[in-house]
Amino acid sequence: DQQVKQNSPSLSVQEGRISILNCDYTNSMFDYFLWYKKYPAEGPTFLISISSIKDKNEDGRFTVFLNKSAKHLSLHIVPSQPGDSAVYFCAASAQGGSEKLVFGKGTKLTVNP
Amino acid sequence: DTAVSQTPKYLVTQMGNDKSIKCEQNLGHDTMYWYKQDSKKFLKIMFSYNNKELIINETVPNRFSPKSPDKAHLNLHINSLELGDSAVYFCASSVGRGNTIYFGEGSWLTVV
Repeated sequence: DQQVKQNSPSLSVQEGRISILNCDYTNSMFDYFLWYKKYPAEGPTFLISISSIKDKNEDGRFTVFLNKSAKHLSLHIVPSQPGDSAVYFCAASAQGGSEKLVFGKGTKLTVNP
Repeated sequence: DTAVSQTPKYLVTQMGNDKSIKCEQNLGHDTMYWYKQDSKKFLKIMFSYNNKELIINETVPNRFSPKSPDKAHLNLHINSLELGDSAVYFCASSVGRGNTIYFGEGSWLTVV
């Protein structure tokens, strides 16, 4: 059973435009959410996180939005750059921490110059 | 100066063999993990150690045995390898049990 779902396996956007990556979850006990970025042949790297007490967290070009009632979060990248091309994983955990993260399958983002 | 390093990066071995993957972190973290990314691309936790003590074991077959000689190392030993063990194995670490996890580059294991 997929507790964290990323329903779009891929997304393609033009450089300079907004990239929106979506993630849905089913476990209402999740209270901490993260986004990781992964380049080929490398490990995932932490991008941004949000706890359930917030509905938005921003870090430079990256903003994560959380809609608890819909059990939905999204990652916005503005403006998108070719170097952002990677696989983005949504992850969630319960009890306020990163321990025992549950990951989605990832969305492959391609930013075209 | 790699923060979480694991070796080997690529490993091809025959069914039935025993192999180990080593992991070391120089971040001063006290919690280390092994994650597995299977053919369906899901990243799933296998084990977690905090200060050399096992705190998570996610119903992994006992052919998989992690060993943590100290806080900076968490090695994964796999006995009697099976075809289904083919996957990418990621080592990771964090400060404590509730903070951001940092991953190594992965070890690609292929069992033939």
